[in-house]
Amino acid sequence: ETGVTQSPTHLIKTRGQQVTLRCSSQSGHNTVSWYQQALGQGPQFIFQYYREEENGRGNFPPRFSGLQFPNYSSELNVNALELDDSALYLCASSSPTGYEQYFGPGTRLTVT
Amino acid sequence: GQNIDQPTEMTATEGAIVQINCTYQTSGFNGLFWYQQHAGEAPTFLSYNVLDGLEEKGRFSSFLSRSKGYSYLLLKELQMKDSASYLCAVPPGRSGAGSYQLTFGKGTKLSVIP
Repeated sequence: ETGVTQSPTHLIKTRGQQVTLRCSSQSGHNTVSWYQQALGQGPQFIFQYYREEENGRGNFPPRFSGLQFPNYSSELNVNALELDDSALYLCASSSPTGYEQYFGPGTRLTVT
Repeated sequence: GQNIDQPTEMTATEGAIVQINCTYQTSGFNGLFWYQQHAGEAPTFLSYNVLDGLEEKGRFSSFLSRSKGYSYLLLKELQMKDSASYLCAVPPGRSGAGSYQLTFGKGTKLSVIP
């Protein structure tokens, strides 16, 4: 157990809908990164939040957006869902001086 | 850009030794990570190499050659519970605020058989 929690565990949405995924970081960690992992692939970096600001973004369209709150928990929002958005969404928390990222159990999103 | 290549699948026998290779191309280098991911679970950290050479941690060792853009993960005395995907990952070449934003390879699925 890493202390990183994510909700919900599983989610089924219809194409065109919007979804919000949540992540609570490990105590003392002020950096949260989000990754998308398609079946049989490695995780792909979506974006990172550091002290409530977006601190870097991968090759994902603007319909992927996020927030980080003062308690360092975070949300990932995806608008206008597409079938290819079906994946495991992982959040990872870390301290700014540490190199190790601690991953949560993920949210499995299915878009039909 | 960054590119990582690792074998898709490997099979090894319980009690044996297996080496999982990873080659990478990056603009700049800030180390290389190995993560283990059991099916349906989150990745867990195994190792982080910044300098050339072999680092041993119990049954797992990780090797890095920066000049060759090459790393391997060595698993000794294989156990059934080692059946998992092993992910090689690199951070961006430039440093910045916050922690590393990793580029992962596709992972190597290791099956340990009796």
